[in-house]
Amino acid sequence: QLQLQESGPGLVKASETLSLSCSVSGGAISSRIYHWGWIRQPPGKGLEWIGNIYYKGITYYNPSLKSRVTVYVDTSKNQFTLSLSSVTAADTAVYYCARRQVSWFDSWGPGTLVTVSP
Amino acid sequence: SFELTQSPSVSVSPGQTASITCSGDELGDKYTSWYQQKPGQSPVVVLYQDKKRPSGIPERFSGSNSGNTATLTISGTQAMDEADYYCQAWDNNTAVFGGGTKVTVL
Repeated sequence: QLQLQESGPGLVKASETLSLSCSVSGGAISSRIYHWGWIRQPPGKGLEWIGNIYYKGITYYNPSLKSRVTVYVDTSKNQFTLSLSSVTAADTAVYYCARRQVSWFDSWGPGTLVTVSP
Repeated sequence: SFELTQSPSVSVSPGQTASITCSGDELGDKYTSWYQQKPGQSPVVVLYQDKKRPSGIPERFSGSNSGNTATLTISGTQAMDEADYYCQAWDNNTAVFGGGTKVTVL
């Protein structure tokens, strides 16, 4: 059964870069069927898509975050990584990694809370 | 930019039908997915491609999508269905989520 697990610092200082990894088990990240994505949820608020990556390195990003976001994949480790630069308090959120199948996200990680400190 | 609009909340009595709507420009031309999120948990897809149910999702969850509105219907609502529900669609390779609807089972 597919499992995704986010990992990374829970606290990041303002203006620095947030970096999170998503480890995938029970399935190959190099599958030609799926894309892999990041979604976040500020405390008490709704879901916001950050971006997706295909194993060949093709990426799509939320236009509102595009200038600060990079997602890359490491097929040798079966994981993909989110980098978000110049963070502010508005980037405080639970960050989820997820698998995209065609037009929906069919598997999600448990999420990890990242807090941006002043 | 493309946006999806949901009503903030819906209340329903046990055993009754809850309808959750999601509105967006020409949404009927796109596939809509619906996610259920309970407190402290990750979202779970309950419908995809407008009306298809993943394995393990009860038949009481159904969906439709036409014009500018997609609808998630929960028939015979149970207490366990109390959760936040989010619609989601794609527009120009960008995933868009609705703001979410809190379903309260009274």
